[in-house]
Amino acid sequence: KAGVTQTPRYLIKTRGQQVTLSCSPISGHRSVSWYQQTPGQGLQFLFEYFSETQRNKGNFPGRFSGRQFSNSRSEMNVSTLELGDSALYLCASSTDRGNSPLHFGNGTRLTVT
Amino acid sequence: QQQVKQSPQSLIVQKGGISIINCAYENTAFDYFPWYQQFPGKGPALLIAIRPDVSEKKEGRFTISFNKSAKQFSLHIMDSQPGDSATYFCAASVHNTDKLIFGTGTRLQVFP
Repeated sequence: KAGVTQTPRYLIKTRGQQVTLSCSPISGHRSVSWYQQTPGQGLQFLFEYFSETQRNKGNFPGRFSGRQFSNSRSEMNVSTLELGDSALYLCASSTDRGNSPLHFGNGTRLTVT
Repeated sequence: QQQVKQSPQSLIVQKGGISIINCAYENTAFDYFPWYQQFPGKGPALLIAIRPDVSEKKEGRFTISFNKSAKQFSLHIMDSQPGDSATYFCAASVHNTDKLIFGTGTRLQVFP
């Protein structure tokens, strides 16, 4: 079974631009969540989607948004990029929120210059 | 109250030794406590997890010990191997959510 797939793996953007990251969960997984990983703040929860609905949101500004499609794929968008948005963005999926193991992809490395 | 405190920040162990990483939490609503292993360039991979109704769970060389009254849990890696060299994260979540609160991570180095 293929794991969680995130595209692209690497991205370089300029301050002020916007970016869209994509995530394909493991087949059969209906819950998708996103995390930001930085050396300073560690792993921080961004949001969680289940059946196309956002179920939880972390403490991030409104510039960070996401969505989930009917096939469980998910995208996250960051608008008006800031230097501090440089991070590894991780997508994770599970079959059933909170009741099954959470599997992570290898992330998208975003660099903002 | 949402924090999970993890220690030590880094750990050096000789091959064959025992690696012990500790975590503590405040939120008594947490009911799921996983440990993740992360290698450079990879996403975190689930190692082992426990719920508060048991005090210990063992899978191969990895054991979680859970102390509900002290609100602490720990990961023990027996017979540590150089291939175990990675960063380990503890985490916690409340019921029916994939929102994990992660510890700050422990960088483990196992020397032959």
